Amino acid sequence: AQKVTQAQTEISVVEKEDVTLDCVYETRDTTYYLFWYKQPPSGELVFLIRRNSFDEQNEISGRYSWNFQKSTSSFNFTITASQVVDSAVYFCAAHSGNTPLVFGKGTRLSVIA
Amino acid sequence: KAGVTQTPRYLIKTRGQQVTLSCSPISGHRSVSWYQQTPGQGLQFLFEYFSETQRNKGNFPGRFSGRQFSNSRSEMNVSTLELGDSALYLCASSLRVDGGGYTFGSGTRLTVV
Repeated sequence: AQKVTQAQTEISVVEKEDVTLDCVYETRDTTYYLFWYKQPPSGELVFLIRRNSFDEQNEISGRYSWNFQKSTSSFNFTITASQVVDSAVYFCAAHSGNTPLVFGKGTRLSVIA
Repeated sequence: KAGVTQTPRYLIKTRGQQVTLSCSPISGHRSVSWYQQTPGQGLQFLFEYFSETQRNKGNFPGRFSGRQFSNSRSEMNVSTLELGDSALYLCASSLRVDGGGYTFGSGTRLTVV
C-alpha cells in the first residue's frame, strides 16, 4: 500500500515569495501515479497534476512547477511568486492500479498580502 | 462537460438516524470513490466502485455502505449516525482504475447533532 507524507503542516509566506511544498511517498509497486490537489476554503479538491512512475521529467505550468525524484521518493511542488489566491490546503496523493488514491495530511499555505 | 455532482451539499442529522449521499460521476466515468475528510484524520478512503462492483474498501465500520448503479451513479449510506461521523464526504470519479485522473465533487458536509 502507498503511504504519503507531507511533513509541513502549515506554511506562511508573504506575497511574491516562492514556496515549496514537500511530499515523500512510499510504495512497493513499480508502476504508480502521484498527484497534487488544491483545496480552497470552498472544500472542493482541485486537480493540479498527475505524474506516473516512469516519467521523472520535471514540469512547469505557469507559476507552478513539480520536481519528481524517484531516488529520494519525493514529489515536491513549488509556487513561484505566490499570490493571495494561492492560499489553500495542498494535498499530495499516490495511487497504483490495485490500491485506492492515498492522501498525505495536507499542507495549509497562507499567502499574506 | 459536467463535473462530479454530489447531493445534497449540506445535511444535518440527529444521532441514531441514517443518511444517504449521492454522487453522479462525469459522463463516461465508470469508477467512483468516496472519501471522508475530518480535521483530525484528514482524507480517508471509504470505498471504490467500478462497473457496479466494489473494488476496494477502507477501514470503516459496517455502518458505512455504498453501491453503484448501472449508470455509474453511486450512493453511500451511513446508518446509526454518531457524532464522529460529522465530516465532509467527497466523491471522485475516474475514467479507469489504474492511473486515471480523479475528479472530485464539491462534497457533502454532514453534521450530526
